[in-house]
Amino acid sequence: EPEVTQTPSHQVTQMGQEVILRCVPISNHLYFYWYRQILGQKVEFLVSFYNNEISEKSEIFDDQFSVERPDGSNFTLKIRSTKLEDSAMYFCASRRDFTYEQYFGPGTRLTVT
Amino acid sequence: AQSVTQLDSHVSVSEGTPVLLRCNYSSSYSPSLFWYVQHPNKGLQLLLKYTSAATLVKGINGFEAEFKKSETSFHLTKPSAHMSDAAEYFCVVSGGGGSYIPTFGRGTSLIVHP
Repeated sequence: EPEVTQTPSHQVTQMGQEVILRCVPISNHLYFYWYRQILGQKVEFLVSFYNNEISEKSEIFDDQFSVERPDGSNFTLKIRSTKLEDSAMYFCASRRDFTYEQYFGPGTRLTVT
Repeated sequence: AQSVTQLDSHVSVSEGTPVLLRCNYSSSYSPSLFWYVQHPNKGLQLLLKYTSAATLVKGINGFEAEFKKSETSFHLTKPSAHMSDAAEYFCVVSGGGGSYIPTFGRGTSLIVHP
């Protein structure tokens, strides 16, 4: 069964550094998402992406964040200058279209020190 | 606007006994509702979904949920718990605020004792 994959599974970085989290959505899916889950808190929506542009974003998704689909398969989340409070599990998800549910990847645990 | 409340942060059951995980929602529109499960170090897996068809929804691994509009509830049940059911469960609402962006509940940790 096709699945969403994410790399790395765990990333440790120093405050102020740039990180790129990578996702490979399911191949025939058209809608892509990033979520984060700070330890002990809710899963929160960050951004949705369709047709090579952001379709919706939350208040969390400020200028420090960016997303890109650099080729036909990868979907990346970049954090330009990480802060301690960016430490969280980041989930990527994809959906074929609005009539289908989202499929989530296993997550990348980001630790900012 | 939409929101979802999972009424229990932890539920503890013995293997072979019924499971009930409670979820209440609020929405301005007719929502879609989902239950996801997250096993340790794994992604979120869809258990079942309600999208305005039958109000009793059957999912994977013997789970089911009933959409009750009058009670704004979507509780998850299973007749007999298995050790492998121990995980974090998330109730999710989508489309209730006019957007397809889902809102997650805080999660309920299901503990299964032998």
